[in-house]
Amino acid sequence: DAKTTQPPSMDCAEGRAANLPCNHSTISGNEYVYWYRQIHSQGPQYIIHGLKNNETNEMASLIITEDRKSSTLILPHATLRDTAVYYCIVLPGGSSNTGKLIFGQGTTLQVKP
Amino acid sequence: ETGVTQTPRHLVMGMTNKKSLKCEQHLGHNAMYWYKQSAKKPLELMFVYNFKEQTENNSVPSRFSPECPNSSHLFLHLHTLQPEDSALYLCASSHPGTGRLWGETQYFGPGTRLLVL
Repeated sequence: DAKTTQPPSMDCAEGRAANLPCNHSTISGNEYVYWYRQIHSQGPQYIIHGLKNNETNEMASLIITEDRKSSTLILPHATLRDTAVYYCIVLPGGSSNTGKLIFGQGTTLQVKP
Repeated sequence: ETGVTQTPRHLVMGMTNKKSLKCEQHLGHNAMYWYKQSAKKPLELMFVYNFKEQTENNSVPSRFSPECPNSSHLFLHLHTLQPEDSALYLCASSHPGTGRLWGETQYFGPGTRLLVL
């Protein structure tokens, strides 16, 4: 599975957009980009995923570059409750996907008042 | 609430004790997972069950023994643990290998925080 690289920490002002980058330069054609987050002492929570097109849901937007080597998770109006560790994970689709989520260190996002 | 519950939420046990962690999901999923999260470390996958069959054992010591009696319940039996096994144990569930994606979105429980003395 492709490896991902994320900055260890970021700050964001409350009400502003939080843009969390992720590099996945070795991603292959059938691999999806997933984002999860983990609020302190809770279980991880799914946010969004995509293959090559930009995706948006009620929580966030996912922007994937045309070469698919990097992506950005956007929280459009960050709140204090968005303070969490954000994980970018690459998973193959179809029968190659064994359901294994490999979590790295993630990015700790601190939303400040 | 994610539809995945775990009990107990907190557990303290001695190294000679035997205890069990329970996970239950009400989402109609057929894949279930155990993860371990030690302090300041990433989550580590321990076991994967798909339609009650174990499909992944990530080199977990035998003092951890999983059991999946049906698709809604998952147990982790613990015996003769070590202090370094103290961690947050997380259960997750997902849809299995149907359609495009296997285990497309995993839903996690709140975890059991385990302290081994």
